[in-house]
Amino acid sequence: EPEVTQTPSHQVTQMGQEVILRCVPISNHLYFYWYRQILGQKVEFLVSFYNNEISEKSEIFDDQFSVERPDGSNFTLKIRSTKLEDSAMYFCASTPRDSYGYTFGSGTRLTVV
Amino acid sequence: RKEVEQDPGPFNVPEGATVAFNCTYSNSASQSFFWYRQDCRKEPKLLMSVYSSGNEDGRFTAQLNRASQYISLLIRDSKLSDSATYLCVVNTPMEYGNKLVFGAGTILRVKS
Repeated sequence: EPEVTQTPSHQVTQMGQEVILRCVPISNHLYFYWYRQILGQKVEFLVSFYNNEISEKSEIFDDQFSVERPDGSNFTLKIRSTKLEDSAMYFCASTPRDSYGYTFGSGTRLTVV
Repeated sequence: RKEVEQDPGPFNVPEGATVAFNCTYSNSASQSFFWYRQDCRKEPKLLMSVYSSGNEDGRFTAQLNRASQYISLLIRDSKLSDSATYLCVVNTPMEYGNKLVFGAGTILRVKS
């Protein structure tokens, strides 16, 4: 079964440092997303990406965040200057159509110290 | 009112029991509906889509009532492996695209 692949599985970083979380969506999917889940809380939408541009973003996705699809397969989330409250599981997801259920990657656990 | 609301549980049931989860959503423009399952510290996995006509997948039955903005999931003959958090998820339109809105989840613990 096709998978969404995320790397690394766990990242520890110092406050103020930049991090890049990487994702390889399913190859024939057109819509890509980042969600996050703070420990013990619900999954929250960050950003959606279609046709090489952001289509929607949440209030969480401020100027510290950016996404990129640098080539035909990778989809990255960059946090420019991490804060303690950025500590969470970050899930990448993709879908062939925006109204379908998504396939999520196994997540990157980001710990900011 | 929360966008997607679920009873957090936990539901503690014996193996073989039937258990039902409910969910309500606030945005009447929502277009598609899902139940996801999440195991501890893992990614959400799509369990099933939910249709107005009701749909069944083995031991799992999902139902949608658009008029009441209510979604349900019924699990029959519970197995130990069904223990997980069940997430009610609603695909909600935004200005240029959609987003999934997650409920906080209902915890199910199946015991032998």
